[in-house]
Amino acid sequence: GDSVTQMEGPVTLSEEAFLTINCTYTATGYPSLFWYVQYPGEGLQLLLKATKADDKGSNKGFEATYRKETTSFHLEKGSVQVSDSAVYFCALKAANFGNEKLTFGTGTRLTIIP
Amino acid sequence: EPEVTQTPSHQVTQMGQEVILRCVPISNHLYFYWYRQILGQKVEFLVSFYNNEISEKSEIFDDQFSVERPDGSNFTLKIRSTKLEDSAMYFCASSEAKLLTGELFFGEGSRLTVL
Repeated sequence: GDSVTQMEGPVTLSEEAFLTINCTYTATGYPSLFWYVQYPGEGLQLLLKATKADDKGSNKGFEATYRKETTSFHLEKGSVQVSDSAVYFCALKAANFGNEKLTFGTGTRLTIIP
Repeated sequence: EPEVTQTPSHQVTQMGQEVILRCVPISNHLYFYWYRQILGQKVEFLVSFYNNEISEKSEIFDDQFSVERPDGSNFTLKIRSTKLEDSAMYFCASSEAKLLTGELFFGEGSRLTVL
């Protein structure tokens, strides 16, 4: 079945450091790919998405490119801030029309220290 | 900004007891979901609900689980006889449109601890 594997956490970085959180997936066809973020005390919220190969999703300085050849959707940010401290979830939705579920990874806890 | 709210934030219960987790989805949303995350594991889909009926459910969602939208605003998850392995964070979500490339809006989660 479909699955998502993401980088084990926790990840601790200094402010202004470069961030990469790896995410790879297993699915048939062309799934849609997502990154969700959960800030402390809040629900998961959509950070960015990509719906076809080579698409780049971006938001709040974060980017991820849908790489079909490597089945990856790595999250990157050039210069992290303390406010980026959160748990980040990679997810996919299968390509078939009737499917209603997201398949998530385990989440990666990111802590940014000033 | 509209948000999904869940209650309780944390519930502790004895094995075998019934638990009801409550959710208030965003008011104009039509699709509702429950997910759960056992500590250290992946967030797992449980069930989706549309037009007052289950549209999809996972193999986790067995006869011990049920969902209901009793009054047009609440969306509840009932676990009839809790087991130790039901201990998890339960997330409710809603969406305005069918989940094609759409966005899910999640609540903060309800932590269930079964003793």
